[in-house]
Amino acid sequence: DQQVKQNSPSLSVQEGRISILNCDYTNSMFDYFLWYKKYPAEGPTFLISISSIKDKNEDGRFTVFLNKSAKHLSLHIVPSQPGDSAVYFCAASARGSGTYKYIFGTGTRLKVLA
Amino acid sequence: DVKVTQSSRYLVKRTGEKVFLECVQDMDHENMFWYRQDPGLGLRLIYFSYDVKMKEKGDIPEGYSVSREKKERFSLILESASTNQTSMYLCASSLTNAEAFFGQGTRLTVV
Repeated sequence: DQQVKQNSPSLSVQEGRISILNCDYTNSMFDYFLWYKKYPAEGPTFLISISSIKDKNEDGRFTVFLNKSAKHLSLHIVPSQPGDSAVYFCAASARGSGTYKYIFGTGTRLKVLA
Repeated sequence: DVKVTQSSRYLVKRTGEKVFLECVQDMDHENMFWYRQDPGLGLRLIYFSYDVKMKEKGDIPEGYSVSREKKERFSLILESASTNQTSMYLCASSLTNAEAFFGQGTRLTVV
């Protein structure tokens, strides 16, 4: 049973426009969410995170939004750049229950067109 | 800078071999993780450890074991490699209440 779902396997966006990547989760115990970016043949790199006590977190061009009632989070990248082309994974953990493992989604491949 | 180092970038092993994948982190992190990445399946957790000699099964532990004798080192063992264990293996570490940092990955091919 996939607890963290990324229903769009791929997304293409024009350079300079907004990229919106979506993630849904089913476990209501999740209270900490993260986004990672992965290039081929490299390990994932951390982008941004959000705690369940917040509904928005910004870091430069990256903003994560959390809608707890819908069990949905999204990553906005503005403006998108060709170097943003990569696979993006969302992840979740249930820290409040004392477990610190991270459950990942299946990933969305973002292609930013120049 | 946090560094998570995996011992090999690429490995080719034969079916039935015992395979060791090594991971070392240099930031005194309590938690360490082993994931595998497969197309369409994302990153799936194999095992994790929250302290020396402690381990917990992840979502897909079958066919794998782990060892954490020292805080900085977390080893993944394939007792008898099979072709369905061909995958990208990713090690990660984290402090409690912080993000995980990943190694560069090991592409394992079992023939």
